[in-house]
Amino acid sequence: AQKVTQAQTEISVVEKEDVTLDCVYETRDTTYYLFWYKQPPSGELVFLIRRNSFDEQNEISGRYSWNFQKSTSSFNFTITASQVVDSAVYFCALSEIGNEKLTFGTGTRLTIIP
Amino acid sequence: GAGVSQSPSNKVTEKGKDVELRCDPISGHTALYWYRQSLGQGLEFLIYFQGNSAPDKSGLPSDRFSAERTGGSVSTLTIQRTQQEDSAVYLCASSILTSGSFTQYFGPGTRLTVL
Repeated sequence: AQKVTQAQTEISVVEKEDVTLDCVYETRDTTYYLFWYKQPPSGELVFLIRRNSFDEQNEISGRYSWNFQKSTSSFNFTITASQVVDSAVYFCALSEIGNEKLTFGTGTRLTIIP
Repeated sequence: GAGVSQSPSNKVTEKGKDVELRCDPISGHTALYWYRQSLGQGLEFLIYFQGNSAPDKSGLPSDRFSAERTGGSVSTLTIQRTQQEDSAVYLCASSILTSGSFTQYFGPGTRLTVL
C-alpha cells in the first residue's frame, strides 16, 4: 500500500526566511510519480510539480526547489526568501504508474509572518 | 483556458436527503477524479474515470455514493441518504496524458454540510 507522510503539521517563519517542507513516502512499486500541491486560503488545490521516480535530478523554479532522494524515499520542498503569499497548506502526493489516483499526505500548514 | 468547475460551491442539506454534485472538467481532458477533503480523514480518493473504461470505484466509502460521467465530459457525484459524516469538501480533478503521466488539475470544490 502507498503512504505519504508529512510530519510537519504547521510551520511558521518570518518573511524572507527559507523554509523546507518534508515529505516521506512508501510504495512497493519501482515506478511512480510524486507531486506537490498548494492549497491557499481560497481552497483550490494548485499543482506545483510532478516528479518521475526515474528522475532524481533536483528541480528549481524561481524561489521553489525540490529535492528528490530515492534512497531515503523523500521528496522535500524548499521555498527560498519566503513571502506572505506563500502562506498556504502544502500537500505532497504519490501515484503509481498505471494507477493514477493520488495518495496525499496530511499536509503542512505554512504561515509566513510579515 | 477555463479550469475545472464545480457546482454548487456550497450545499447545505438535511440528514437523509440525497445530493448531487457536479463537475465540469477541462475541455479535452480524458480522465476525471473525485476526492473528498475532511478534517478527520484528510484528502481521500473516491472514484476515477478514464475514457470509456470502467471507473475505478475503489475509494467510495459506501454504496450510498455513486458517480457517473456523461459523454466523457461532465460528471455527477450522488450521495444518497446523506449522513453527518458526509460533511466535507468534495473536489473534482481532471487530467490528460502528458509525458507518460496524468497531472491532475483541481476544481474549487463543493463544500457539503449535512445538518
